[in-house]
Amino acid sequence: SQTIHQWPATLVQPVGSPLSLECTVEGTSNPNLYWYRQAAGRGLQLLFYSVGIGQISSEVPQNLSASRPQDRQFILSSKKLLLSDSGFYLCAWSVGGFDTGELFFGEGSRLTVL
Amino acid sequence: GQNIDQPTEMTATEGAIVQINCTYQTSGFNGLFWYQQHAGEAPTFLSYNVLDGLEEKGRFSSFLSRSKGYSYLLLKELQMKDSASYLCAVEDSNYQLIWGAGTKLIIKP
Repeated sequence: SQTIHQWPATLVQPVGSPLSLECTVEGTSNPNLYWYRQAAGRGLQLLFYSVGIGQISSEVPQNLSASRPQDRQFILSSKKLLLSDSGFYLCAWSVGGFDTGELFFGEGSRLTVL
Repeated sequence: GQNIDQPTEMTATEGAIVQINCTYQTSGFNGLFWYQQHAGEAPTFLSYNVLDGLEEKGRFSSFLSRSKGYSYLLLKELQMKDSASYLCAVEDSNYQLIWGAGTKLIIKP
């Protein structure tokens, strides 16, 4: 069966510090991978998605970046965090293809920037 | 612009029935999803509608009317564990998901 893991689950970072969130998927090949951010009381905001290794599409201009060094690994990074980067970050995967389809989410990472 | 509307919060009684509505205006339509999200956790898939009509899955049912840009999620025999947020999402013509802000459902004994 397929599983998805992301870490860390919780982190508190000072403004200006770097960030690295990691996500891995097991039990499937060539998935579509996504990074979402969820602010309190708001809908999920798509940050990045990837349909293959090294293929990253950015949906929102910001100080975040994403990389997909391996087929089932997706990393969200920042060189310098802003207060506005605080939120609940979710990694997700779907079956590879041109459509999104059903999403399977990781456990989430709650980031607080102070 | 693209927009998904759903009530912010609803309250219902254990054992009762509740209907959560979702209206959408999107660039094209390739399906509508409902997800459940407990506080502090990730969303989990509940249902998918691409054709008009009702899809039933146990205590949960989802209805779609494409001509009206409208869907609802019906929860029967409510249980305390159904207290959660329910997210409506539409896949647009670019096959991207547009998400509503979610409806927080509070179940009272």
